[in-house]
Amino acid sequence: DAGVIQSPRHEVTEMGQEVTLRCKPISGHDYLFWYRQTMMRGLELLIYFNNNVPIDDSGMPEDRFSAKMPNASFSTLKIQPSEPRDSAVYFCASSLASYQETQYFGPGTRLLVL
Amino acid sequence: GQQVMQIPQYQHVQEGEDFTTYCNSSTTLSNIQWYKQRPGGHPVFLIQLVKSGEVKKQKRLTFQFGEAKKNSSLHITATQTTDVGTYFCAGRDNFNKFYFGSGTKLNVKP
Repeated sequence: DAGVIQSPRHEVTEMGQEVTLRCKPISGHDYLFWYRQTMMRGLELLIYFNNNVPIDDSGMPEDRFSAKMPNASFSTLKIQPSEPRDSAVYFCASSLASYQETQYFGPGTRLLVL
Repeated sequence: GQQVMQIPQYQHVQEGEDFTTYCNSSTTLSNIQWYKQRPGGHPVFLIQLVKSGEVKKQKRLTFQFGEAKKNSSLHITATQTTDVGTYFCAGRDNFNKFYFGSGTKLNVKP
């Protein structure tokens, strides 16, 4: 299996621009998670989906952030408009059948907003 | 609110020395997982503990879950340079909320 795939791996953009991060979970996994990692705040859970349905988005910072999962093999995290404080590494993870199961992380997207 | 705290934040050891990181929760956890993140990498699952007082071993790594299911520890015996990285605990509370600890960054000097 290819593991969790994320794109792009690196993104540099200017403040105010729209940013879209993409994730392909491991085939057959029912849960998909989006995390943000910064030095200041560590690893934060932003949102997670079960069978393509958003279950808990309480970690989403504000309305500028939105996430979708149109099908079982694809999810996006969008930031519009982006701000410098959004600079972070964004990880996508998936797990097999339960919230308790092992989470497999993708390589992450390093986002820099200038 | 619920927090999962880890100590120490950083640990520098000489190769061959032991290392322990501690994870503490303000509330009871249903289970706890441990992850390792190498510099520049992504978190990789190590182990999951579910039962009160559970102890699991993986070669030089020993994981414990406290009797009250509020704390956990990871102990590495005779560290090697390949152990370098940040170790995270992650726990799920009774409301199905999943929290990552703040992590302990381990540096091993050869």
